[in-house]
Amino acid sequence: DAGVIQSPRHEVTEMGQEVTLRCKPISGHDYLFWYRQTMMRGLELLIYFNNNVPIDDSGMPEDRFSAKMPNASFSTLKIQPSEPRDSAVYFCASSPSGIATGYTFGSGTRLTVV
Amino acid sequence: GEDVEQSLFLSVREGDSSVINCTYTDSSSTYLYWYKQEPGAGLQLLTYIFSNMDMKQDQRLTVLLNKKDKHLSLRIADTQTGDSAIYFCAETSWNNRLAFGKGNQVVVIP
Repeated sequence: DAGVIQSPRHEVTEMGQEVTLRCKPISGHDYLFWYRQTMMRGLELLIYFNNNVPIDDSGMPEDRFSAKMPNASFSTLKIQPSEPRDSAVYFCASSPSGIATGYTFGSGTRLTVV
Repeated sequence: GEDVEQSLFLSVREGDSSVINCTYTDSSSTYLYWYKQEPGAGLQLLTYIFSNMDMKQDQRLTVLLNKKDKHLSLRIADTQTGDSAIYFCAETSWNNRLAFGKGNQVVVIP
């Protein structure tokens, strides 16, 4: 099992550009979570999906952020346009059920917006 | 609501025990967790405790749960340099989402 796979590992972009982060959850996991980690705010849940359907997106900072899960094996988090304050590490996690003992995190994408 | 609090930094000498503390507010949490984050990596589940337990031991790790005070602790015995990381406690909320603390950085001094 390759675990949760995120790409890219690092992304440096200029302010105003579109950024797309990608995640492949573990096969058979029906929950997928997007988190953001910063020094100031710690870990923040942005959005999560159950069976490809967004359940709670109340953590998405603003309309510049959007997430999709077109199928069970792929999700994207898009920021358009990006701003320097979006610089953070973005993690994807998946779980086989709602019981949180099964959360598995990817290695994260470190985003730097200059 | 969910509000998990942790202290920020701990340094410990190799071979000593280290204790990391956490308080939480949601008394209905069914599970409480400790995650470890090594530099440049994602969070890795270390151990968890069911809310009807007071203690759980797993090799060098001991988790203590004080439900009355909503206090969770993680003790690492014989701390090794590989234990240097950020440790997060987390609780489940009513909808089985995880609420994380801000993390506690542990630095092991050889």
